[in-house]
Amino acid sequence: IAGITQAPTSQILAAGRRMTLRCTQDMRHNAMYWYRQDLGLGLRLIHYSNTAGTTGKGEVPDGYSVSRANTDDFPLTLASAVPSQTSVYFCASSLAGGGDTQYFGPGTRLTVL
Amino acid sequence: DQQVKQNSPSLSVQEGRISILNCDYTNSMFDYFLWYKKYPAEGPTFLISISSIKDKNEDGRFTVFLNKSAKHLSLHIVPSQPGDSAVYFCAASANYNTDKLIFGTGTRLQVFP
Repeated sequence: IAGITQAPTSQILAAGRRMTLRCTQDMRHNAMYWYRQDLGLGLRLIHYSNTAGTTGKGEVPDGYSVSRANTDDFPLTLASAVPSQTSVYFCASSLAGGGDTQYFGPGTRLTVL
Repeated sequence: DQQVKQNSPSLSVQEGRISILNCDYTNSMFDYFLWYKKYPAEGPTFLISISSIKDKNEDGRFTVFLNKSAKHLSLHIVPSQPGDSAVYFCAASANYNTDKLIFGTGTRLQVFP
């Protein structure tokens, strides 16, 4: 059982380019999340999805979009990357939404130049 | 406006001694609390949780204490081991069934021989 996988592991991107971070889970969890981790700021929620077909905005959604076409996949897209989006991005999932225990992927380190 | 605060960015403890990691929160509606551990280049992993109806939860070497009147929780690790060296995040939810987790900024624990 893989749990949650993320791709790519790391990426260097020129400002203004479009980028999609991939996230796949095989646990049949209903809820999925995207966080960014920045030094001194902890983990901040970008977007979430309580179930396939629905999405919601988290604490820092600007500049990012998500889709949830099926249970397993939850891609995060940066339409036009900016240097302030340099961060480590974590995808997570939980069986239920709300405060249920979340299981995290290994992360994607993104650098926007 | 940080609703969940970990005021100590780092902590250094000798192997075999007790590690105490602290977390304060401001939202009196929080009713479910979790601790996650994160190793470098990995995603956070769930460690232990506590509901607001309890004031203590124990799992092996890890114990979480909750003081609702002080809006404070702590994680005790006894005895500390070098493998416990990691970043620890506390997280809280205002409604287990619906509200999202709010994470603190993390505390880096180093356990030295």
